[in-house]
Amino acid sequence: AQKITQTQPGMFVQEKEAVTLDCTYDTSDPSYGLFWYKQPSSGEMIFLIYQGSYDQQNATEGRYSLNFQKARKSANLVISASQLGDSAMYFCAMREGRREGNTPLVFGKGTRLSVIA
Amino acid sequence: GAVVSQHPSRVICKSGTSVKIECRSLDFQATTMFWYRQFPKQSLMLMATSNEGSKATYEQGVEKDKFLINHASLTLSTLTVTSAHPEDSSFYICSARDQVLAREKLFFGSGTQLSVL
Repeated sequence: AQKITQTQPGMFVQEKEAVTLDCTYDTSDPSYGLFWYKQPSSGEMIFLIYQGSYDQQNATEGRYSLNFQKARKSANLVISASQLGDSAMYFCAMREGRREGNTPLVFGKGTRLSVIA
Repeated sequence: GAVVSQHPSRVICKSGTSVKIECRSLDFQATTMFWYRQFPKQSLMLMATSNEGSKATYEQGVEKDKFLINHASLTLSTLTVTSAHPEDSSFYICSARDQVLAREKLFFGSGTQLSVL
């Protein structure tokens, strides 16, 4: 079974509008971390936001917020006030195990976001 | 912030030759680094976990004799694609975590686009 599922291959959003990118995950480990990365056409992976499994509040980083619904195992990314520069691939990822451990991230298939002027 | 430097950014080689890719953590020590491969319009797939001073751990389906990993110091890991073939053409990207500060964020190099003719 896939650990990270991103069901939206592509999304369009009007500039200045908000957009939600979906992500669901599957793990039996009580300790895990969820991440979102942005990958522009240059290929670099840009960290956006992190949510720990024990965090009580939803993570926020500027225009990015993570809608963490633990019971539903979802970690959707919300981008507010979209900008043209937000057009890119967005990957949801998960690390299983304690944060002191050193396990790799498992990535979803990604969602290509296109911001329209 | 922590930086991971990866070189070269792009390489074109003839079939049968070997290519070495370097990944350096510039301002932190990384006992473990991760190597990912990304085919066009696909997600990042973990190839191997590189451990300083010991053998790398390869994911299922990744040939360890073809993708040689050396992690000789706390700041440098190298991936050598031996006897490269056109099917090895891909985007290779390394990553590491600053374990001393137990930062959650996984830092990525800028990636290497390998094209085998």
